[in-house]
Amino acid sequence: DSGVTQTPKHLITATGQRVTLRCSPRSGDLSVYWYQQSLDQGLQFLIQYYNGEERAKGNILERFSAQQFPDLHSELNLSSLELGDSALYFCASSVGAGGTTNEKLFFGSGTQLSVL
Amino acid sequence: DQQVKQNSPSLSVQEGRISILNCDYTNSMFDYFLWYKKYPAEGPTFLISISSIKDKNEDGRFTVFLNKSAKHLSLHIVPSQPGDSAVYFCAASPEGGGADGLTFGKGTHLIIQP
Repeated sequence: DSGVTQTPKHLITATGQRVTLRCSPRSGDLSVYWYQQSLDQGLQFLIQYYNGEERAKGNILERFSAQQFPDLHSELNLSSLELGDSALYFCASSVGAGGTTNEKLFFGSGTQLSVL
Repeated sequence: DQQVKQNSPSLSVQEGRISILNCDYTNSMFDYFLWYKKYPAEGPTFLISISSIKDKNEDGRFTVFLNKSAKHLSLHIVPSQPGDSAVYFCAASPEGGGADGLTFGKGTHLIIQP
């Protein structure tokens, strides 16, 4: 158990809909990262929050947004969903801001999103 | 453009033999390399890492080799055990970067045959 909690584990929805994925980081971790793993793709970095502020942005679509709340949990909002958004979405956390090479990520077990 | 490439989607190895997982990268700014292991229905977990100032790092049955000139790294597992069956992701980070700059490969599914 990594200590990172993601809910829900599975989500099935229709095109055009909006969903929210939730992540609670490990106790004491200040950074939350969101990754997308599509079929035949590696883990694609979407966005990172550190202590409530956006820290780094990757290949995140404009239809997607995230935020980190004062209690440090994070939510990833996906809107106007398309078939191609079907993927496994991982949340990870780390202690600091992520700027050091020896800082490890701890991953949650992911949310499997299916857009029909 | 895939900056971190794991060209073998899957690999089957007999129990007790050596497993060799390969990873190539194209970005010469990458300075720190990691391997993550993922079981079904779980998130990836950190396995082993290597800095570009080294060419080898060992941790028990796991050894990572780095060849900077060839932009190639490999993970050796000796001896392979059934519990090693998992998907292995190679990841790289640029100099001065960290968890916020990690680029992952697509993964290699290692299957250990009894």
